[in-house]
Amino acid sequence: GAVVSQHPSWVICKSGTSVKIECRSLDFQATTMFWYRQFPKQSLMLMATSNEGSKATYEQGVEKDKFLINHASLTLSTLTVTSAHPEDSSFYICSARKTSGQQETQYFGPGTRLLVL
Amino acid sequence: DQQVKQNSPSLSVQEGRISILNCDYTNSMFDYFLWYKKYPAEGPTFLISISSIKDKNEDGRFTVFLNKSAKHLSLHIVPSQPGDSAVYFCAAGGGAGSYQLTFGKGTKLSVIP
Repeated sequence: GAVVSQHPSWVICKSGTSVKIECRSLDFQATTMFWYRQFPKQSLMLMATSNEGSKATYEQGVEKDKFLINHASLTLSTLTVTSAHPEDSSFYICSARKTSGQQETQYFGPGTRLLVL
Repeated sequence: DQQVKQNSPSLSVQEGRISILNCDYTNSMFDYFLWYKKYPAEGPTFLISISSIKDKNEDGRFTVFLNKSAKHLSLHIVPSQPGDSAVYFCAAGGGAGSYQLTFGKGTKLSVIP
């Protein structure tokens, strides 16, 4: 399988600060990456689709000014949670889309746990 | 409106027996389906996928069956092992060039030694 990394794996920050999470595809290029959020005991919720070299597409209800996404290269997408508040505490997971012929699969990073105090 | 449904939140199976996880979908535009395994506080791990042009795909102990007319798919794990205990997510994607995946809510599988 393909490898996707995320950094940091966990972060604790004070309310009002901004936090940047990196997502890297280590052994393949990904023109499309996705950012998900998972609340305890719930499914993955797609936040946005990140396309290399263009603006991200946000899902309904996700504030684009709060969750800034930058996909500057074919192997890196970043999610910045701006002015984080306790309700932003969650588990954030990225995935990268890999195509191989007709087959396409999303490979997920290990996730980043964010705790906002 | 839930387009991908996993109606069983949990399932317990004896080690060595078969585990069958079910998934139903409503959107006929979906043309590929994936199963992911997830441990707490980790990202999902891809297990197996199936295209809508097939009705079965097998990889080792994992087999996915697709019944398009019923809009139903299932993941069979045989024999089940204690290390298979995790939450399993069904995901569907495709249609009109969409790369996004729609996930079910997951089924927690417990394999009892």
